[in-house]
Amino acid sequence: DAGVTQSPTHLIKTRGQQVTLRCSPKSGHDTVSWYQQALGQGPQFIFQYYEEEERQRGNFPDRFSGHQYPNYSSELNVNALLLGDSALYLCASSLAGFGVPSYTFGSGTRLTVV
Amino acid sequence: QQQVKQSPQSLIVQKGGIPIINCAYENTAFDYFPWYQQFPGKGPALLIAIRPDVSEKKEGRFTISFNKSAKQFSLHIMDSQPGDSATYFCAASNSNDYKLSFGAGTTVTVRA
Repeated sequence: DAGVTQSPTHLIKTRGQQVTLRCSPKSGHDTVSWYQQALGQGPQFIFQYYEEEERQRGNFPDRFSGHQYPNYSSELNVNALLLGDSALYLCASSLAGFGVPSYTFGSGTRLTVV
Repeated sequence: QQQVKQSPQSLIVQKGGIPIINCAYENTAFDYFPWYQQFPGKGPALLIAIRPDVSEKKEGRFTISFNKSAKQFSLHIMDSQPGDSATYFCAASNSNDYKLSFGAGTTVTVRA
């Protein structure tokens, strides 16, 4: 049973550039949440997508945007990258109706902004 | 601001010892309190979780103690092993919300 798959695993971008990260949810899950984990910190909620709509958003600027496709996969886009955007970006899939207790995290994408 | 405060930042124990990690929260609407284990290069994995209607929950060598009046909860790792060396995060959520609020994490090192 495939878990949550994230791609790429690592990437390096230059300040000011744009980046797209991808997530395929666990089989049977229909909801995708994105988190940012800075080095030495706990994950911080960015937003959640359900039925192809952003359902809830954390305290992140609108440089961070996302999308969910009909097959439930999701993308996280970050525009105008800043050095402070360097972090591990985690995707968590879950099943609507079961919510947070059904969270399954992927291994993340390590983004380095130089 | 951080809704869940976690301590200590790191700790080292000998094999067989009992590392204890503490967390405190302010939001009384929280009703789900999970602990996650994270190894380097991996995402967090659910270890054990508790709801406020119980004061203690055990799963294998992992125990959560919950004090609702003090708004605190803790993780004990009994008979710790070198394979338990990882970063542990406490978190909290409420039934009407879709997100988890995480603590800052505790790096546990178990020496053989």
